[in-house]
Amino acid sequence: DTEVTQTPKHLVMGMTNKKSLKCEQHMGHRAMYWYKQKAKKPPELMFVYSYEKLSINESVPSRFSPECPNSSLLNLHLHALQPEDSALYLCASSQVGANHQPQHFGDGTRLSIL
Amino acid sequence: AQSVTQPDIHITVSEGASLELRCNYSYGATPYLFWYVQSPGQGLQLLLKYFSGDTLVQGIKGFEAEFKRSQSSFNLRKPSVHWSDAAEYFCAVGATTSYDKVIFGPGTSLSVIP
Repeated sequence: DTEVTQTPKHLVMGMTNKKSLKCEQHMGHRAMYWYKQKAKKPPELMFVYSYEKLSINESVPSRFSPECPNSSLLNLHLHALQPEDSALYLCASSQVGANHQPQHFGDGTRLSIL
Repeated sequence: AQSVTQPDIHITVSEGASLELRCNYSYGATPYLFWYVQSPGQGLQLLLKYFSGDTLVQGIKGFEAEFKRSQSSFNLRKPSVHWSDAAEYFCAVGATTSYDKVIFGPGTSLSVIP
């Protein structure tokens, strides 16, 4: 069983919809991550939060808006997405610090944009 | 910046045969190295990691990997493959200066035939 929980598991939305992806962990990790993974490709880093502050934004379009309301929760707000945004969105968490890797991954949300 | 390559896109082995998956990295210093496995429809599970010390690393599910600095390699091995090992395998490298930015290799897809 994964220790990082992502909801929903599947999401279908139109290009004008607004939806949110949720991620939760109770391992006491203070770094949390969002990745995007297309089929047959490796995960691509989108955002990193460290101590609930955004520390890395990999030039992600503004239609993706991350939020870290507390140390256990990470959200990804979606608005006006494009068909090419259809992918598996993975959340991960880890301790902060070079000696406290690796990252623990959730099972992802499979997003389809109509 | 660090980078990682996995020369084999797809490998097929017979159940019970030995397995070696190749991984080569590029980084100016000693990196942090990881192997992850991803089964269809699931997130990534850490198999093993190398930070420092003993260059032969033992992981879960009977996997091991050997760090060879002279070859910039971190190959994954298993002496006897089980049908349940069929999955996508990702090698990943993290830099000591930006530990939270892990770069994934393109992945190797493993098929196991009875």
